[in-house]
Amino acid sequence: QSHLQESGPGLVKPSETLSLTCQVFGDSISTETHYWGWIRQSPGRGLEYIGNIHHSGGPFYSRSFASRVTLSVDRSKNQFSLKLNSVTAADTAVYYCVRRMVSARGVIVWFFDLWGRGTLVTVSS
Amino acid sequence: SYVLTQPPSVSVVPGQTASIACAGDSPGRKIFHWYQQKAGQAPRGVIYSDTDRPSGIPDRFSASTSGNTATLTITRVEAGDEADYFCQVWDASGDVVFGGGTKLAVL
Repeated sequence: QSHLQESGPGLVKPSETLSLTCQVFGDSISTETHYWGWIRQSPGRGLEYIGNIHHSGGPFYSRSFASRVTLSVDRSKNQFSLKLNSVTAADTAVYYCVRRMVSARGVIVWFFDLWGRGTLVTVSS
Repeated sequence: SYVLTQPPSVSVVPGQTASIACAGDSPGRKIFHWYQQKAGQAPRGVIYSDTDRPSGIPDRFSASTSGNTATLTITRVEAGDEADYFCQVWDASGDVVFGGGTKLAVL
């Protein structure tokens, strides 16, 4: 059964870069049927979509994060990564890596059908 | 940006039916998805593309959509259904939008 696992530092200093990696198990990141992405959750902001990427490229970023986020895929390791620059305390959240279904019945959808357990990242000096 | 509004909480007695609404703040057809998040867990999808259930989701979960409004219905509610439920759409501006979530309390 497929699952996702986030890894990375749990504490990041303000103004630095938050970096997380998601390992994909039981599925190939090179599949044509899914994108791979990140969503975060905090008490004050709820669930926030950050972005998603296909193994062949073409990331889609939320407008809220586009100026400071980079997603990448490493097909050789079957994993993908998130980098968020210039973090502040407002970026403190649980970060989930997710798998996005590309289409259903021939219609493009934006449904996240698999989620990692999430990792808490705290931004503090 | 597009906003989805959900009631903060809904209460239901076991065995009864729970309905959770989700309303967009501007007209236009949207495709809705729904997620369940139990305490201490990651969200998981329970409905996609307005009405479809992922494998493993019981048929007690259903949903309907009309324009920019959707409703998640859970029949024969069980104690294990107690969770936060979130609706989600993709907006034509290119962003994914989540509702604020509804806490379902099973009394």
